[in-house]
Amino acid sequence: EAGVTQSPTHLIKTRGQQATLRCSPISGHTSVYWYQQALGLGLQFLLWYDEGEERNRGNFPPRFSGRQFPNYSSELNVNALELEDSALYLCATPPAGRPGTDTQYFGPGTRLTVL
Amino acid sequence: RKEVEQDPGPFNVPEGATVAFNCTYSNSASQSFFWYRQDCRKEPKLLMSVYSSGNEDGRFTAQLNRASQYISLLIRDSKLSDSATYLCVVILHSGGYQKVTFGTGTKLQVIP
Repeated sequence: EAGVTQSPTHLIKTRGQQATLRCSPISGHTSVYWYQQALGLGLQFLLWYDEGEERNRGNFPPRFSGRQFPNYSSELNVNALELEDSALYLCATPPAGRPGTDTQYFGPGTRLTVL
Repeated sequence: RKEVEQDPGPFNVPEGATVAFNCTYSNSASQSFFWYRQDCRKEPKLLMSVYSSGNEDGRFTAQLNRASQYISLLIRDSKLSDSATYLCVVILHSGGYQKVTFGTGTKLQVIP
């Protein structure tokens, strides 16, 4: 089965702009988790979507938002970009049919650079 | 105190050596634990789950010590290809959702 996919691979924006990142989970998976991995920091949990709803949110300002579509793909939107938003953004899904399972498989990530 | 802490390393070890990493967590109610491997500029990949009884996968052994609130990863007979950053993950289930916390990772460099 195809893995988790993310687009774009790289994204370059300037301060104040908006960024939209996309994630498609493995077919049949309903949960999508978003993480931010900034240089020198660990993965920070951003958002969790399941069955089209936001289930949980990490400690990030409201300008980080997202949504999940009926086909379970997801978008992460970052408004009013700041330099410190430069990071690798990863999405992950647990195995199909087991949304409560803890194991997560990651997409390749989108590297966002804010100039 | 951080919720999950790891020694950032780097751990520089010769090929064939045995190396161990620890990861401590602060919330005693944490329920699930994992080790991930992350290569430079790549996404994390699941290495193994960690159980109280300990589990082994080839050269890799993971242990959980609930009393002292840490998990460990032991790598025997290190290979050059083991060079990577190893992330521990601690999951807490609460109110119908799970809180996933990653450590900042321990960098391993296996040298010839």
